Amino acid sequence: EPEVTQTPSHQVTQMGQEVILRCVPISNHLYFYWYRQILGQKVEFLVSFYNNEISEKSEIFDDQFSVERPDGSNFTLKIRSTKLEDSAMYFCASSEKGLLGELFFGEGSRLTVL
Amino acid sequence: GENVEQHPSTLSVQEGDSAVIKCTYSDSASNYFPWYKQELGKGPQLIIDIRSNVGEKKDQRIAVTLNKTAKHFSLHITETQPEDSAVYFCAARGDAGGTSYGKLTFGQGTILTVHP
Repeated sequence: EPEVTQTPSHQVTQMGQEVILRCVPISNHLYFYWYRQILGQKVEFLVSFYNNEISEKSEIFDDQFSVERPDGSNFTLKIRSTKLEDSAMYFCASSEKGLLGELFFGEGSRLTVL
Repeated sequence: GENVEQHPSTLSVQEGDSAVIKCTYSDSASNYFPWYKQELGKGPQLIIDIRSNVGEKKDQRIAVTLNKTAKHFSLHITETQPEDSAVYFCAARGDAGGTSYGKLTFGQGTILTVHP
């Protein structure tokens, strides 16, 4: 069964460092998302991406965050200068039909900022 | 924006019993309500969903009901098994006037423990 894959599974970084989280969405999907889950809290929407541009973003997704689809298969989330409060599990998701379709989630990348 | 509240936060049942998890939502424009199961160290997995033109949907031991008037929906698991133990999340999605591409708003999650 097709699945969304994410790397790394766990990354530890120092505050102020840049981090890139990578995702390979399901191959025929056109809509891509990042969500995050701080330990013990809700899963929160960060950003959606369609047709090579951001279609929606939350207030969490400030100038420190960016997304990119560099090569037609990968979908990346970059955090330019990490803060302690960026420590969370980051989930990538993809959908074939966006509003009309199911979201399929990857297993997540755990980011720990020290 | 949409707000989804989920109860209870923890639920403990004996194997074979039923489990019910309830969610309320705030945005009457929401029209899609999925339920996700999250096992330890894994991402959320869709287990069942319902759209606002349907009041109930069933898939083997799992069912979801939707009351649009009251803006609440529930997950029902019958004949629970230890492997049903996980965190369950409800979510809601609307079309935000055509600007949303599938953004989900999640509830807080329910930790379900099924004791053998």
